[in-house]
Amino acid sequence: GAGVSQSPRYKVAKRGQDVALRCDPISGHVSLFWYQQALGQGPEFLTYFQNEAQLDKSGLPSDRFFAERPEGSVSTLKIQRTQQEDSAVYLCASGVGLTSYEQYFGPGTRLTVT
Amino acid sequence: AQSVTQLGSHVSVSEGALVLLRCNYSSSVPPYLFWYVQYPNQGLQLLLKYTSAATLVKGINGFEAEFKKSETSFHLTKPSAHMSDAAEYFCAVSGGFNTDKLIFGTGTRLQVFP
Repeated sequence: GAGVSQSPRYKVAKRGQDVALRCDPISGHVSLFWYQQALGQGPEFLTYFQNEAQLDKSGLPSDRFFAERPEGSVSTLKIQRTQQEDSAVYLCASGVGLTSYEQYFGPGTRLTVT
Repeated sequence: AQSVTQLGSHVSVSEGALVLLRCNYSSSVPPYLFWYVQYPNQGLQLLLKYTSAATLVKGINGFEAEFKKSETSFHLTKPSAHMSDAAEYFCAVSGGFNTDKLIFGTGTRLQVFP
C-alpha cells in the first residue's frame, strides 16, 4: 500500500528564499509529525497535528517556520527567508490513532540552502 | 524531560557475529521506547517498540530488544549479523505524558564486514 510521501525529495534554495515542503500522509491517519534531521544527527521534533489541529509546535526553531494541515490530510511545512542553518532533511511521519505509538516516516526532503 | 543516549556512534561486526547496539533512556514517566533503522536516502523504518507489555520485544529482521528498568536500558540485539543490516539505527523515547512526539538519540552506524 501507499506509504507517506514527501515532495520535493531534494530542494536547493538560495539564502533568503522561501520554500514549501509537502507531506502526504497515509490515508486515514490522524496524527502527523514533522522532524528536522541535521547531517549526522537524529531527527528532532518540529511540530504535531491531530487532524487539522496543530497541537504542538514547540520544536519550530523560529517564527520563520510555519506548518499547516488545513483539511486534516496533506501538510505543508513552510520556511521563510531560508538561512544556511536550515539545511537539513525534513521528515514527515503519520500515525493511525489519536495516541499513535507507531509513526510511519516518509523518505524526507533534503533542503540545501546556499 | 525525556532523553535517550546511544553509546557508540559506530559499531562494526563481522557477518554472522552478534549485533549489540546500546541505548539508555531517561524518562519522568513510564516510557515507550522504539528502535528505528534508516537506510541511505530513506526515511526511518520501525524495527520494534516497547509499550509496557513484555519486556523482551521482538521486531522485524531478527532484531530484538530488552527493556531493563533497573538499568534504564533498551539495547538492540541480533544473534547473527547480515550484510543487509548495515544502516543507521536510532533509539527513541516518546516525549512524555500527553504527547506522542519522539525524542531520538544521535544514532549508531552499523557496519557489517564479510
